[in-house]
Amino acid sequence: EAGVTQFPSHSVIEKGQTVTLRCDPISGHDNLYWYRRVMGKEIKFLLHFVKESKQDESGMPNNRFLAERTGGTYSTLKVQPAELEDSGVYFCASSHGRGGREQFFGPGTRLTVL
Amino acid sequence: AQKVTQAQTEISVVEKEDVTLDCVYETRDTTYYLFWYKQPPSGELVFLIRRNSFDEQNEISGRYSWNFQKSTSSFNFTITASQVVDSAVYFCALSEAWGANNLFFGTGTRLTVIP
Repeated sequence: EAGVTQFPSHSVIEKGQTVTLRCDPISGHDNLYWYRRVMGKEIKFLLHFVKESKQDESGMPNNRFLAERTGGTYSTLKVQPAELEDSGVYFCASSHGRGGREQFFGPGTRLTVL
Repeated sequence: AQKVTQAQTEISVVEKEDVTLDCVYETRDTTYYLFWYKQPPSGELVFLIRRNSFDEQNEISGRYSWNFQKSTSSFNFTITASQVVDSAVYFCALSEAWGANNLFFGTGTRLTVIP
């Protein structure tokens, strides 16, 4: 069984540009989460999908961030326009069911905004 | 509000030494889950253990053991006879039993095992 995959692994862009991160969860996992770790700080929750519906996007920093999960399969996270403080590692995780179920994480996308 | 504190930023030990990684949490929920994840140099977060708030039994898995104490809101992780392959960043996390079940992470502890 394939794990959670994320693309790209690294992205370096200039301030003001747009970047789209992709996450492919484990097949059959309805729950998909995005997290972000800014250097040296804790990994912070961004948002949660159940299938194609956003259940909780309370962690999204601002309206420059847009997440989608069309068809309830893969998800994209777009940052437009990117700012310096958006640099960090963006993790995606998926789980089957909730109630404290284990979340399986992808390797993350390291985003650097210059 | 939920909060997880990992006061140890970095720890270095010599191979075969035992090491304990501390984790203290805060939550108002009576039902919650605690987790430990390992992040090796490859970057992905690898699940190690989950414990629910009603189960205070300590757990041992090979060289790994976990000590959950509700009285002190702690969920510490001990590696016995450390090995170089244990070098990684270790994250403690908390989730609610209800709602989104998103994880609240600590800042992580970087463990370096010196051969």
